[in-house]
Amino acid sequence: DQQVKQNSPSLSVQEGRISILNCDYTNSMFDYFLWYKKYPAEGPTFLISISSIKDKNEDGRFTVFLNKSAKHLSLHIVPSQPGDSAVYFCAASAPGNYQLIWGAGTKLIIKP
Amino acid sequence: EPEVTQTPSHQVTQMGQEVILRCVPISNHLYFYWYRQILGQKVEFLVSFYNNEISEKSEIFDDQFSVERPDGSNFTLKIRSTKLEDSAMYFCASRRDSVMPQHFGDGTRLSIL
Repeated sequence: DQQVKQNSPSLSVQEGRISILNCDYTNSMFDYFLWYKKYPAEGPTFLISISSIKDKNEDGRFTVFLNKSAKHLSLHIVPSQPGDSAVYFCAASAPGNYQLIWGAGTKLIIKP
Repeated sequence: EPEVTQTPSHQVTQMGQEVILRCVPISNHLYFYWYRQILGQKVEFLVSFYNNEISEKSEIFDDQFSVERPDGSNFTLKIRSTKLEDSAMYFCASRRDSVMPQHFGDGTRLSIL
């Protein structure tokens, strides 16, 4: 099941620079997308979401962009901070479905 | 900030035994979920629960699995006869309504011997 794909297993970024995490999806029925952050031994923590009626949503240092024609979304973190080092998951849901479909995650490492 | 809490953090069980994983969702939340993550694999949906009944379940959630909300605060996942392949992190999640994001607990690591 590859409905949600995060093709980069890991990403290393210098502190203070922009981190860009990418996610692709195949199911055109998805209408709601979320990013979660996960530290070891903890559960996923909700970061930011976007509905398919928008192409951008911003919350502080975090911005999510949605390109529906390309079935692609990205999470921008700027400026990146050491505490941002974690695994980031992209997840999606379709109308009428309660479940989230998850990507495999991208491990973000912020270098000092 | 309110949290979803899960107990125990780690459960070790012999194959074939029954196990109950416990969750206390956030108090004003109405939708409840179980997910699992086998080591090295993606997070997988198991079941969702709303208005005292299962609203959706995956193929993984077979007759060996059941969920219950025995009182106003707990939400449990029972596996009747555990198999080796049930070893995974099990995450409980809840949300207030159908348009809000799901909030997750820290998980229970289930190890089947």
